[in-house]
Amino acid sequence: DVKVTQSSRYLVKRTGEKVFLECVQDMDHENMFWYRQDPGLGLRLIYFSYDVKMKEKGDIPEGYSVSREKKERFSLILESASTNQTSMYLCASSLEGTNEKLFFGSGTQLSVL
Amino acid sequence: QKEVEQNSGPLSVPEGAIASLNCTYSDRGSQSFFWYRQYSGKSPELIMSIYSNGDKEDGRFTAQLNKASQYVSLLIRDSQPSDSATYLCAVNMGGFKTIFGAGTRLFVKA
Repeated sequence: DVKVTQSSRYLVKRTGEKVFLECVQDMDHENMFWYRQDPGLGLRLIYFSYDVKMKEKGDIPEGYSVSREKKERFSLILESASTNQTSMYLCASSLEGTNEKLFFGSGTQLSVL
Repeated sequence: QKEVEQNSGPLSVPEGAIASLNCTYSDRGSQSFFWYRQYSGKSPELIMSIYSNGDKEDGRFTAQLNKASQYVSLLIRDSQPSDSATYLCAVNMGGFKTIFGAGTRLFVKA
């Protein structure tokens, strides 16, 4: 089975802090994604990567950046956390190519105070 | 802005009944369609995928796709209390991006 592991289940940070969310997948998937999930809004794509060192903006990239130095690891960075970034963050991965189904990690609930 | 729309619910059905969940999408070029189930406090898990018009059955689940009308539905037969969850409709327009609806909460009464 595919395993997508997110390093923290819950995080509490202060406004202005730099925040790192880590995600690791163990199935040699080419594609990795970061979504945030908010009540009533569903999942919204922040960034994705289809190869090592490659990254593409999703629908809501403002205030975020990403890093993919190794195939199995995809990091989401909040350069200066703000209260409106309080959310559930979900990492996902998929096989090479497009139109592929997503495998999700267990999520990180981030609270920015 | 490409959209995927779902009724937020909650949809309440008695145990053993058929639950019908519906979803519409805006992009006629959409190619892949998915249903994910999300239990409270958990991450989404894929339960069905469908790529061509018609019905696709997998156990108690049937996905239906009508590209001309731009809707996709999920039927759950013999609903069980364990089916109580939020069901997310997801659509891929042919690239790397998958767009999700906000989800429909389903409650199956024992």
